[in-house]
Amino acid sequence: GAVVSQHPSRVICKSGTSVKIECRSLDFQATTMFWYRQFPKQSLMLMATSNEGSKATYEQGVEKDKFLINHASLTLSTLTVTSAHPEDSSFYICSASSGFGRTEAFFGQGTRLTVV
Amino acid sequence: AQSVTQLDSQVPVFEEAPVELRCNYSSSVSVYLFWYVQYPNQGLQLLLKYLSGSTLVKGINGFEAEFNKSQTSFHLRKPSVHISDTAEYFCAVSGRNDMRFGAGTRLTVKP
Repeated sequence: GAVVSQHPSRVICKSGTSVKIECRSLDFQATTMFWYRQFPKQSLMLMATSNEGSKATYEQGVEKDKFLINHASLTLSTLTVTSAHPEDSSFYICSASSGFGRTEAFFGQGTRLTVV
Repeated sequence: AQSVTQLDSQVPVFEEAPVELRCNYSSSVSVYLFWYVQYPNQGLQLLLKYLSGSTLVKGINGFEAEFNKSQTSFHLRKPSVHISDTAEYFCAVSGRNDMRFGAGTRLTVKP
């Protein structure tokens, strides 16, 4: 299957700083990228859906100004957690699809964010 | 919008026993269905998917699932599990422009 690379795999940051997570589709053009958040022993919660060149669509309850998503090209999407707080500590996973969500989505390896 | 319900949060089984992980979905549009496996601190790996055609879908690692439209189910099965199958399993449904996941089922295979 196609490869999605997510970087970094782990990051520790101080409270109040910002962290950027990258998601790249290595061998296909990702029309749509999804960002998920996963709490320990829980499922993936969809945070936002982004289509290349458009503004991301955020799920209800997700703060747009806190979780900035940029999908500037067909192979790269970034999630920036701004002014991070300890409660933002979580596992963040991206996925990329070459179709509009209906085709298979390929997942990155996830990023473990710890805010201290 | 679509939703997914995984009926069992934990399924313990002995090695070489058969297993079924249950998944029901709801949607107002036609959907695609998926099963993913997740190992600790890793992303998701696709086990199998139903897009169209035969309702019995075979995937990797000996897993298979059957799409039942009338019962809106997509249960995952394996006739004989291994210790290495211990992991978290997620059922997912894809609609017009998103993918939703069930709460997950923790499969624990005991020797």
